[in-house]
Parts: sequence; structure tokens; C-alpha cells
Amino acid sequence: NAGVTQTPKFQVLKTGQSMTLQCAQDMNHEYMSWYRQDPGMGLRLIHYSVGAGITDQGEVPNGYNVSRSTTEDFPLRLLSAAPSQTSVYFCASSPGLRSSYNEQFFGPGTRLTVL
Amino acid sequence: RKEVEQDPGPFNVPEGATVAFNCTYSNSASQSFFWYRQDCRKEPKLLMSVYSSGNEDGRFTAQLNRASQYISLLIRDSKLSDSATYLCVVNEARFGNEKLTFGTGTRLTIIP
Repeated sequence: NAGVTQTPKFQVLKTGQSMTLQCAQDMNHEYMSWYRQDPGMGLRLIHYSVGAGITDQGEVPNGYNVSRSTTEDFPLRLLSAAPSQTSVYFCASSPGLRSSYNEQFFGPGTRLTVL
Repeated sequence: RKEVEQDPGPFNVPEGATVAFNCTYSNSASQSFFWYRQDCRKEPKLLMSVYSSGNEDGRFTAQLNRASQYISLLIRDSKLSDSATYLCVVNEARFGNEKLTFGTGTRLTIIP
């Protein structure tokens, strides 16, 4: 199993550009989520999905969209990039919601710089 | 007050020593607790869950004190490979991960 994969690893955007960060998992996990990690701050939840066709907002959703058309894929779209979105983005998945034990498996991250 | 607080460190500890980190959380209704490890420029990975009775995994011991709302991580006989940032994670929800709160991490460097 490849686990959780993310592309690209690095990206530089200009203010106002849009792009999609890709995330895929091959573990048949129900739950997927996107986080951003900034210096001096913990990981913050952007959006999450409890299954195909179902998404919801996390703590910091503004400026981002998600969709979940399949169990495997959970892309994150930046609608109009801003310098405040410069960050490291992690996608994560976990098996399901029926247990209070829910290890999260993280992808390798995407380092995004917005100029 | 931050929901999950950790001493950011850095902790510089000689190889073979014992080191302990604490993490405090503000929501007394929090349900489950974890320690994740994050190597430099890498993704976080689960180190261990923290159970009410305390639990041990090799050189690592995790404790939970609900009355004082803190969790701890003890590393014995530290190795160079233990150098990393340790993230305290608290789940306020009984099920699901949308109520996970991550601490900012404690940076540990083991010195030869």
C-alpha cells in the first residue's frame, strides 16, 4: 500500500491564482481531512469528509473548497491564492468513525508559497 | 488560553538520559489523547495513544491526569533517533476526528 499520497510536494503561486492540491489514499478509509501547519501553531483543520459525497468545514475553511467523489480521492482547491495561505498542507485519512480510537495517517505534505 | 498547550522547547538532552514532556488541555470533556511524532519537514506519525490507566511502549510511557487536565510523555534511555518534535493531540469528540486539537509541539534534540 502507498498509504496517503499528496501532489505536488512543492508549489509557488502568485496572488490570485487558483490551484488544486491532490490527495489519495489506498487504505479504503472512510475519513479524510486537510490540515495546514504554520510556524508556532498546531495543525489546523481546513475541511474533512466522513465518506464519499460528504464534506464539512473545519476550523479554517475560508478560501478553500473540497469535494469527495470517491473514497480514495480528496482534492483541496484554493480559489484565489493569498499570501496568508502560504503554509504546509497535510492530507490525512483514518479508518472510520465507529471507534474512539482513530489513528490518522498523514500524507507527506505540500509546501505552498504564495507571492 | 490555548486549548492544548505544550512547552515548545527545545529540549537538548544527552543520549541515554530520561526526558519528560507535559501537555495541558483546557476542555475537561475531552475524550481521547495521543502523542504524535513529527520529524523535520516530514508528516506527523502516531507514537502512542494515552489511556487513563497509563500505558507503556518500550522506552516510552504516556500518562493521563484528567483531574489536572494534562498528559505526559516519558522517554527513557533516549536515542539519537528520538530527536523530533512531539505533538500532543486531544480529541473532544467521542467518534470522528473533526474535534482534534493539536499542540504546537515540543522539540527534542538528543545530543551524542
